Amino acid sequence: AQSVTQLDSQVPVFEEAPVELRCNYSSSVSVYLFWYVQYPNQGLQLLLKYLSGSTLVESINGFEAEFNKSQTSFHLRKPSVHISDTAEYFCAVSDDGGATNKLIFGTGTLLAVQP
Amino acid sequence: KAGVTQTPRYLIKTRGQQVTLSCSPISGHRSVSWYQQTPGQGLQFLFEYFSETQRNKGNFPGRFSGRQFSNSRSEMNVSTLELGDSALYLCASSLGGTTPGELFFGEGSRLTVL
Repeated sequence: AQSVTQLDSQVPVFEEAPVELRCNYSSSVSVYLFWYVQYPNQGLQLLLKYLSGSTLVESINGFEAEFNKSQTSFHLRKPSVHISDTAEYFCAVSDDGGATNKLIFGTGTLLAVQP
Repeated sequence: KAGVTQTPRYLIKTRGQQVTLSCSPISGHRSVSWYQQTPGQGLQFLFEYFSETQRNKGNFPGRFSGRQFSNSRSEMNVSTLELGDSALYLCASSLGGTTPGELFFGEGSRLTVL
């Protein structure tokens, strides 16, 4: 079965600094990868996804993630964070090659942006 | 376009009782998935329904069940509640194609079992 590891439970960072949230997944023949964000007292929102094609995927608010098959990683990066980026970020993988919408989530990384 | 609506948002039950949670997906979405979120276990997949059929199921006991109606609305039921069932239950809808698309999550139903 697929699994997802987010090594950092919390990442404190100052505003306007760069940040990287790490995500590793267990290997599979076909994999779809996602980053979701959860703001306080809200449901999850899709940030970006990798299904196929270019290994670098971007979101509309400046985040990007790179699919690295050899390292089985899908790290999330942003060159300059804002206070409003404070939230919990979840990496997820499709468990069955996309046949259903079952996702395996990591344990989450709390991004705490400080002024 | 209305988002995913979950009701009730908060509820308190006692051990042994049962509970039914409701989810109205985004109009046109045919897939509804349910997840349990707890501080200890994180987000865990419960089940997915697509066109009224259960398409996938997670590793939860039979006390957890669900269904989907012809209008794509979904309910999940937990019987014989245990303290460990206290959690945020999230519903997510999607178009439900053959490749995983974007899941749209509701704000959740927070269940407290006393």
